[in-house]
Amino acid sequence: DAGVIQSPRHEVTEMGQEVTLRCKPISGHDYLFWYRQTMMRGLELLIYFNNNVPIDDSGMPEDRFSAKMPNASFSTLKIQPSEPRDSAVYFCASRSPGGLSGNTIYFGEGSWLTVV
Amino acid sequence: GENVEQHPSTLSVQEGDSAVIKCTYSDSASNYFPWYKQELGKRPQLIIDIRSNVGEKKDQRIAVTLNKTAKHFSLHITETQPEDSAVYFCAASSPDSWGKLQFGAGTQVVVTP
Repeated sequence: DAGVIQSPRHEVTEMGQEVTLRCKPISGHDYLFWYRQTMMRGLELLIYFNNNVPIDDSGMPEDRFSAKMPNASFSTLKIQPSEPRDSAVYFCASRSPGGLSGNTIYFGEGSWLTVV
Repeated sequence: GENVEQHPSTLSVQEGDSAVIKCTYSDSASNYFPWYKQELGKRPQLIIDIRSNVGEKKDQRIAVTLNKTAKHFSLHITETQPEDSAVYFCAASSPDSWGKLQFGAGTQVVVTP
């Protein structure tokens, strides 16, 4: 398996622009997570899905952030409008079914976002 | 919800020495405790995990111990090598958290030759 695939790997955008990050989870995984990593705040869980349904979006910073999972093999995280403080690495991760906890979460390579 | 605290935030060790990182968790229902290693510019990758029905697990030079009573778990790296230099994250999840992992803040480990 190719693992969790994210795109773009790097993006530099101007403040106010819309940013869309994309993720393809590992085939067969039914949990998908979006994390944000910064030096100041570490790894933060933004939102996660189970069987394409959002379970917990309490980590989404504000209304400028939205996430969708239209099918089992694709998810997007959108920031509109973007701000310099959104600059971070955004990781998508997925996990296999088989219990409420105890299974490995696999991370994608991350999308490095810089908002200038 | 679950809260995971991790110490120390930075750790410098001489090559060949041991490194120990400690984490505490708040939710007594947590039953899964993975450790991730993140090299500079790369993704976090699982290196070892432990479930609450065991107290210790080893994999070559790394080991994890769990004390459920005290609600803490530790990562031990023996005979450290320069390639062990990375940020290490502990995490915890409970059965009622839908598999959601709560991560510690991370420990920057530097192994000096």
